[in-house]
Order: sequence, then structure tokens, then C-alpha cells
Amino acid sequence: DSGVTQTPKHLITATGQRVTLRCSPRSGDLSVYWYQQSLDQGLQFLIQYYNGEERAKGNILERFSAQQFPDLHSELNLSSLELGDSALYFCASSDGTGSNSPLHFGNGTRLTVT
Amino acid sequence: AQSVSQHNHHVILSEAASLELGCNYSYGGTVNLFWYVQYPGQHLQLLLKYFSGDPLVKGIKGFEAEFIKSKFSFNLRKPSVQWSDTAEYFCAVNALSGANNLFFGTGTRLTVIP
Repeated sequence: DSGVTQTPKHLITATGQRVTLRCSPRSGDLSVYWYQQSLDQGLQFLIQYYNGEERAKGNILERFSAQQFPDLHSELNLSSLELGDSALYFCASSDGTGSNSPLHFGNGTRLTVT
Repeated sequence: AQSVSQHNHHVILSEAASLELGCNYSYGGTVNLFWYVQYPGQHLQLLLKYFSGDPLVKGIKGFEAEFIKSKFSFNLRKPSVQWSDTAEYFCAVNALSGANNLFFGTGTRLTVIP
């Protein structure tokens, strides 16, 4: 168990809809990262938050947004969903922002858009 | 921008065979290097990491990796694989000077036949 909790485990929704994925980091970790894993793109970094502030942005679509709350949990919001958004979404956390802080991953949320 | 290449998509070995998975990265500056493993249905787990020093690093479960700077490579090795090593293996890199977001390779699926 990595200590990173993601809910829900599975999500099935229709095109055009909006969903929210939730992540609770390991106790004491201030950084949260979101990754998307799809068959054709592999693991893609989406966005990172540190102590409530956006720290780095990767290949995140404008239809997607995220935030980190004062209790350090994070939510990834996906809107106007398309079939191509079907993927496994991972959250990871680390205790800092330095490049030597190992990432600990959650079990992921599998999103299926029909 | 960083990029990571894993040339082996699927490797099939018999138990006790030796393993070497290739990883090459592209980045002009100093990087940290990682290997993560994802067992079926589980989260990504850190196998080993290289930050600096001895280019031969040892990780968990008998895995090791060698950083060859001149070849931009960080190949993963294990002298004798077990059935329980069946998993997907991801090489990842982050830039020493950048935010702590990892860039992953596309992964190598390892199947070990008993």
C-alpha cells in the first residue's frame, strides 16, 4: 500500500459529461501529481500541485482542471468528455518539490467514456 | 524537453533467465533516473533510482540498473527472473533543475513463464 488513495476505482460515463476524480496523498506529503495512462500515449504527466499551488503543468487539456485543497487532497475535473479520454488516471504524491523526492502512486481511477 | 525510450514492448522469458530492459533518455542537462514496476492490478512502485555517484544502482527484489552517461542509457537488469516478476516496467526521468514531474517511457511488459 503506497498510502495514496484514489476514488473512485472505476468510472463509466457518456461523452459530453463531466467527472471528478479524487486523490488523497500520503500523510505528510505536500505535492500531488496527476498522470494519464492510455494505450497509445503511455504515462503522460498532467499537472502538479504543491501545498495548494499549481507547480508544473504538462500535457493537460483545457477541458481538464485540477486543484489542491487546504487539507491537501486533490481533485481532477474532466469536462466535455470524449471517447479518447478513456484512460487510467493516476495520482502520485511526494513530500517536496525537489527532483530527489520520490513519487508514490495511487492505484488509479479507470475512466471509460462511452 | 525530456523524452524516454523503451525499445522492448513485450519481453517473454522463462524462469531463471537473465533480464535486461533497455532505456534511453533524451535531455541536455543533468537528470535523475528511475525504474518503476506495475504488477497486474496494482499501483506503480519504485524499483530503484539514480541521483548521482556510483552508476550501478541496486534496487528491490534483486534488480539493478546501470547509468551510462555517454549512451544516455539506464538499462534494468536481473540475473535470474521469477514468475512473480511478471509485470510492466517503466523507465522515468526528471530534470535536476526542473519541477519534480517524471517523464515516463511507454513501458515494457515482462511475462515470465514458469
